[in-house]
Amino acid sequence: DIVMTQSPDSLAVYLGERATITCKSSQDVLYSSNNKNYLAWYQQRPGLPPKLLMYWASTRESGVPDRFSGGGTGTDFTLTISSLQAEDVAIYYCQQYYSAPWTFGQGTKVEIK
Amino acid sequence: QVRLQQWGAGLLKPAKTLSLTCAVHDGSLSDYYWSWMRQSPGKGLEWIGDVVQSGSTDYNPSLKSRVTMSIDTSKNEFYLRLRSVTAADTGVYYCARGKRYGEWSGDFFQYFYYGTDVWGQGTTVAVSS
Repeated sequence: DIVMTQSPDSLAVYLGERATITCKSSQDVLYSSNNKNYLAWYQQRPGLPPKLLMYWASTRESGVPDRFSGGGTGTDFTLTISSLQAEDVAIYYCQQYYSAPWTFGQGTKVEIK
Repeated sequence: QVRLQQWGAGLLKPAKTLSLTCAVHDGSLSDYYWSWMRQSPGKGLEWIGDVVQSGSTDYNPSLKSRVTMSIDTSKNEFYLRLRSVTAADTGVYYCARGKRYGEWSGDFFQYFYYGTDVWGQGTTVAVSS
């Protein structure tokens, strides 16, 4: 199975400041034939199911604010919140879908400083 | 706007069978994967498996020997059965919809998953004697 490792486990950021989460996969998730990274990001607010934010590493799901951006390729990826809002307090997960079984990172908790 | 509503027993004794149902409201079963995921403090988020409209399934190898998923297109529902549960199966179980695209791969037309965009409300399952 592909192991997904996120860092940090938690971070606290001032409102309006930037938050960056890193995700590393144990194997390359870039499919060379279509040059797509098979990686998604999710947000999970307390008491709710996860919500899809990003797929193909950097394509925002419909309705996701543009302060969220995804980057990286191969084995190293980032999710950036450019200007943290109160409603962004949540746990964020990366997921690979390059090779079954699909696997998730352990999560990064984002809080307000 | 498609909505998933799930239900099933939340408290089980060890060695029993977990059974969950997920109803798909305001959406078609075609063109998507219909998934079960679970979440526990010990294992985090875990993909259990998928079923598609045709009834074809794909399971996580770690659970494959105990899992059965099925689908009823007449009711717009899909199902999870997990046999011989233990305390390690305790957690929140979600039904969900997986996005799907298709393309030619050599001589074959194949479908590929690219993220889970709709989730049920979750069912808390506890396994205890």
